[in-house]
Amino acid sequence: SQQGEEDPQALSIQEGENATMNCSYKTSINNLQWYRQNSGRGLVHLILIRSNEREKHSGRLRVTLDTSKKSSSLLITASRAADTASYFCATEPGRGTYKYIFGTGTRLKVLA
Amino acid sequence: EAQVTQNPRYLITVTGKKLTVTCSQNMNHEYMSWYRQDPGLGLRQIYYSMNVEVTDKGDVPEGYKVSRKEKRNFPLILESPSPNQTSLYFCASSFDGSGSYEQYFGPGTRLTVT
Repeated sequence: SQQGEEDPQALSIQEGENATMNCSYKTSINNLQWYRQNSGRGLVHLILIRSNEREKHSGRLRVTLDTSKKSSSLLITASRAADTASYFCATEPGRGTYKYIFGTGTRLKVLA
Repeated sequence: EAQVTQNPRYLITVTGKKLTVTCSQNMNHEYMSWYRQDPGLGLRQIYYSMNVEVTDKGDVPEGYKVSRKEKRNFPLILESPSPNQTSLYFCASSFDGSGSYEQYFGPGTRLTVT
């Protein structure tokens, strides 16, 4: 299996704090995407970063990508209770493979 | 409303009884995919389809079949379900499979095989 890994597996923070989660992958990639999943529901796309980009922002989200270390991080600033969810990274292992490898996810709990 | 629909949402069945989980998207997406989600293992890709009549295996295809006769539909077939196929299943679609576009996920189908 080429499963990606996310770290930490679980994270609990207070509302207003920042949350950082990391994703490591094993092969060279074309793009990396982050998704959010609310308990047992379908995943929702958050942000995409291309392999030639190092950082990307979207609202309170900041994603970094280090292709030399095969890792990415997702930072959520000024977290809210509504951010409580599981977060997954997804990679396409090589251009044109049409396959997706998801990480094992980070469970984030934001306490009000 | 742009969406991916799956049916049924919940299913309890017995070992060996063939079943089909339907998936439909209304976004004219070329790419569709099936995933299963198990605790501690994240999402694993079962099968995917790049377009009508074009399908290929993902990471965990054993015990599953798919077909893509129409662009909007991508059913998942379990010919002889076994208890190890008890899982949460998601269908997803995307503009294409290049990884440059987000995937839209259905609400999930929780399958229990006894």
